[in-house]
Amino acid sequence: DQQVKQNSPSLSVQEGRISILNCDYTNSMFDYFLWYKKYPAEGPTFLISISSIKDKNEDGRFTVFLNKSAKHLSLHIVPSQPGDSAVYFCAAFSGSARQLTFGSGTQLTVLP
Amino acid sequence: GAGVSQSPRYKVAKRGQDVALRCDPISGHVSLFWYQQALGQGPEFLTYFQNEAQLDKSGLPSDRFFAERPEGSVSTLKIQRTQQEDSAVYLCASSLRTSGETQYFGPGTRLLVL
Repeated sequence: DQQVKQNSPSLSVQEGRISILNCDYTNSMFDYFLWYKKYPAEGPTFLISISSIKDKNEDGRFTVFLNKSAKHLSLHIVPSQPGDSAVYFCAAFSGSARQLTFGSGTQLTVLP
Repeated sequence: GAGVSQSPRYKVAKRGQDVALRCDPISGHVSLFWYQQALGQGPEFLTYFQNEAQLDKSGLPSDRFFAERPEGSVSTLKIQRTQQEDSAVYLCASSLRTSGETQYFGPGTRLLVL
C-alpha cells in the first residue's frame, strides 16, 4: 500500500521550459511535504518543502503547490536547466510517526 | 565536514557475514534516521533516534538488524548474518530539531551481499 505515489517514472523537458513533477498521497495525517533531488551515487538533497497549512511555497526557480482536497502536490521548475537533470523524490512527513515516506521517484531529463 | 557522512561507501559481504555501517550526522543535529533504498525505489524508513534514545525501530525488517547511537552523535547500523535480500543502499539522515521534518541525507552505503 503506497502512501506516496509518483506515477511518472520519467519526464523530459527542453531547457528553458517549465518542468512539472507530480505526487499524490493517501494519508491525510501527513503534515509536511518535501521534495528531494538525487544524483547517481549521492544521497538525496533537500530542495524545498511545504507545510500542510499552506498551498504554495516558492524558492527561486522552484515552487511547490499543495492541493489538500485532492491530496496532490507538484513541483514546478522554471526555467529548467540541464543541471536539473536528476531523480526527484516526493516525501511526506507525519509529526506523530516522525518518519519520511517517499514516492518512487521521477527521473527528470532537461535537454539542451 | 558540513554534511552527513557515511562509511564505508561500498561494502561487499558474503552471505552470512556481519556488517557495520557508520553514520556521522551534522554536528548538533538531535534527530538521526536510517533508511533502506532498493534499486528503483524510494528510501524506506528503518529507525529513528532522538539524541541517544532509539524512539522508533518499527521499520527494521528483522531482528538481524540493530542500530545504536550511544553518545547521541555517531550511529552504527549493524546487520547480522547478511542475506542477499539485504543488498540495498543504506541512507542516514539527520535533522536539527526533535520534530525532524527537514532531514539532510548522507551519500549512503551501497551494500552488496553475494
